[in-house]
Amino acid sequence: GAVVSQHPSRVICKSGTSVKIECRSLDFQATTMFWYRQFPKQSLMLMATSNEGSKATYEQGVEKDKFLINHASLTLSTLTVTSAHPEDSSFYICSAPLPGAKNIQYFGAGTRLSVL
Amino acid sequence: KQEVTQIPAALSVPEGENLVLNCSFTDSAIYNLQWFRQDPGKGLTSLLLIQSSQREQTSGRLNASLDKSSGRSTLYIAASQPGDSATYLCAVITSGANNLFFGTGTRLTVIP
Repeated sequence: GAVVSQHPSRVICKSGTSVKIECRSLDFQATTMFWYRQFPKQSLMLMATSNEGSKATYEQGVEKDKFLINHASLTLSTLTVTSAHPEDSSFYICSAPLPGAKNIQYFGAGTRLSVL
Repeated sequence: KQEVTQIPAALSVPEGENLVLNCSFTDSAIYNLQWFRQDPGKGLTSLLLIQSSQREQTSGRLNASLDKSSGRSTLYIAASQPGDSATYLCAVITSGANNLFFGTGTRLTVIP
C-alpha cells in the first residue's frame, strides 16, 4: 500500500538553529502534501499546504518566513523551521492524498521537535 | 470554518467494557469522516473512514456511525482491551477542501 515516509522522527536542537523535516511519498506521486502541527494536549492543526512546483499555502497565523516549505518534486516536500525557538517545540506530521482520491490520505510517522 | 469537537476529552474504563466516543462538527458539508488512533509520540493510524453518503462502518471490534445532518459521529469499541489505550481522533474533509480538520481527541485508558 501507499506509504509516506517522514524523517527525522525526533530532533533536539539549540535555540536559533534551523531544522529540516522531509516528507516523501514512496510509491505514489503527490502534487499536494499537508503539514500539520500538534502542541501538547491539543489537536492536530493544519499549518500549510505544499504544492509541487508552486508556492505553499499557509494557514492564518503561520509565519511563512519561519516555516519554509519546498515541494521540488512529486515525491518530496520539506519543512524547514528556521531559527527555531522553544515555542516551536511540537509534533509535526505530514500527509499526502492519493492522486485523484483526496478522500484517502496517508500520514508520515511524525517528527517530534524539541528546541532547548 | 469547520470546527470539530470530541467528548469526552479523557476516558478510563475497565477491561472488557464497551464504550462510545463522540465527535461533532459544525459544517455538515463534508466529504468524509475518519477516526484515527494516535499512540503517545507517534503518528496516526487510520481506523475507519466513513464517506458522506454512508451511515456506518465496521472493522473488528470497532463501529463508527455518521449522522451528517446533525454533525455527529460516534466510535463504538466493543470489549475493550488494554491495547486499545491511546488517543482517538476524528477528522473530516470539508467539501471544497483537501485537508483534514481534526478534533481535539479523546484519551482512552483501558485498565487491566
